[in-house]
Amino acid sequence: EVQLLESGGGLVQPGGSLRLSCAASGFTFSTYDMNWVRQAPGKGLEWVSLIDLGGSNTYYADSVQGRFTISRDDSENTLYLQMNSLRAEDTAVYYCAKGRWLDDWGPGTLVTVSS
Amino acid sequence: DVVMTQSPLSLPVTLGQPASMSCRSSQSLVYSGGYTDLHWYQQRPGQSPRRLIYRVSNRDSGVPDRFSGSGSGTDFTLKISRVEAEDVGVYYCMQGVHWPPYTFGQGTNLEI
Repeated sequence: EVQLLESGGGLVQPGGSLRLSCAASGFTFSTYDMNWVRQAPGKGLEWVSLIDLGGSNTYYADSVQGRFTISRDDSENTLYLQMNSLRAEDTAVYYCAKGRWLDDWGPGTLVTVSS
Repeated sequence: DVVMTQSPLSLPVTLGQPASMSCRSSQSLVYSGGYTDLHWYQQRPGQSPRRLIYRVSNRDSGVPDRFSGSGSGTDFTLKISRVEAEDVGVYYCMQGVHWPPYTFGQGTNLEI
């Protein structure tokens, strides 16, 4: 059974940083592209970033380009999202999702950016 | 970016009755090879999203056969043949052709 479990969310001040993790199990992590998708409170879904299998290529939404960095550790079956220069509008539940077609999703971790 | 437009945004339904929702894209979602990367996701209240349908019309494992997807080009539909209480939630379409970025529709809120 595929399992994805995000962690690392919390309350951070504007301009601060946070690193999210997503622990994966139940599938061969290294053979899948992985994504981060977020959902602001009461809003819809917004794709944030993708890293391809092997980690050679990364892609970002314009809204986070230059501030967020996606990475992966295939030896630990873990996906990361380093978030810098956080803004109030980054407040959201952050989900990791498996595969190019977002096959499976984790339960999410809440990031709140507020002073 | 490709804009995905869903309608209606709110869909009141009666248990046991059919339901239908639309998703339209600002560009054709057909790419080389004839594939169409249009997918549907269900988000029940308080839960994370779950994929229901991939590539227009393919049901994911465990998805009841009362759910069906259809469409082509820029116009797509998700239908539920007989709505059950567990179907309440928000349904999103997403395109995976013209990326980055992947783009989602605003969501259709199915309510009893």
